Formats: sequence, C-alpha cells, structure tokens
Amino acid sequence: KNEVEQSPQNLTAQEGEFITINCSYSVGISALHWLQQHPGGGIVSLFMLSSGKKKHGRLIATINIQEKHSSLHITASHPRDSAVYICAVNSNTGNQFYFGTGTSLTVIP
Amino acid sequence: DGGITQSPKYLFRKEGQNVTLSCEQNLNHDAMYWYRQDPGQGLRLIYYSQIVNDFQKGDIAEGYSVSREKKESFPLTVTSAQKNPTAFYLCASSIDRLYMDTQYFGPGTRLTVL
Repeated sequence: KNEVEQSPQNLTAQEGEFITINCSYSVGISALHWLQQHPGGGIVSLFMLSSGKKKHGRLIATINIQEKHSSLHITASHPRDSAVYICAVNSNTGNQFYFGTGTSLTVIP
Repeated sequence: DGGITQSPKYLFRKEGQNVTLSCEQNLNHDAMYWYRQDPGQGLRLIYYSQIVNDFQKGDIAEGYSVSREKKESFPLTVTSAQKNPTAFYLCASSIDRLYMDTQYFGPGTRLTVL
C-alpha cells in the first residue's frame, strides 16, 4: 500500500470547469506538497502546506490534518493547466519523503 | 538565473555500459537528491546528499552510485548492475534536508538502455 494515494488517476475537463484533485496519506507528516509536472518532464513546486489553505492565482490547496487529506482545486481551468499533479508528503519521522503516483489532467478547449 | 540543470535531456546506452547523469545547481543548496520515475509509479528516491562529501542510500540505491565532491554538483552513475535502468531520472535540491522544505527539480534526463 502506498503511503500517499491520489484520485482520480486521470481527469479530463472542459475549459472553464472547476477541478478538484484529492490526496490521502497514511503517515504522520510535517508538510504536504503539491507539484506540477509538465509533458516535458520538468517538475515545479506549487504549494507546501502544513495546515489550512493556500491560494496562488487560480490554484487553491487545502489540508485537513485530522483526516489526513488534502485537495488541490483549479478554478476556471485552462488548457495550459494540462499536466500531471503530484502530491508528496514529508514524514515527521525518519526524514522520509513520499510521493503519490500523480493525477494526469487534460483540459480541453 | 538560479536553478538546477541536468544533462543530457535524452541519453541512449547499450546494455552493460555504465553511464553518468549530470546534475548542477547554483542555488547554494546543501541538500541534493536523485529520483527515478517510472510510468504509473510515484518518484522513488535513489540517493541523497545532505552535505559535501556525504551521501546516503535511498529506497532503490542498488545498481547506482553517486559522488558529492562539490556543493554544486551531484552526478549519478547508472552501473551495469542496475537490472532495469531505462527510466526518467530527476535531480532535486533543497536548502536543508533536515527540515525538508521545498525541493527544486531539474528538467530530468530520460535514459534508454538498448
């Protein structure tokens, strides 16, 4: 069983739709990260959060520590948002870093 | 511009040959990492280095070797002992692994062993 589970694995949306990607984890954490991987392979860090909610432009990330769950929301989606979104967590024991398998998002014009 | 560079972007090698992947950063970060990415799997940690001249095995270190002679550089050698070396390799760095803050990733190297 993976320490980090994401859903859905694949997601197709029409331009303008509101998108939610979910992440659940089974270990105690000090922080959770949302990463974006573009088709070329490069990865960009979107958010690092340990509580509450963060917003950057059309992206919103929330975390519920008690439920061990995080969501990434994209408002007014655009084709340039098409990418793989990866959830990752810093374990609070042993300095471990666990990655989810990613959610592949395609936004259709 | 500060960042992480990896070279080459694509690499082809014959089976049985060792190959070295380059990773350089000018962010003045102490910690550097090597990950492997396979289809349908999350990133897996190969090796990490918290400081110059020190490095530790990650989850899948067998068949790989690294060095950290300079703060800026963390090359990865894929040896002939690695049974399934074809994969996408990502290098990353962070200020200090102890606090495991934001990691900055390079563009990756796609290795294909023929």
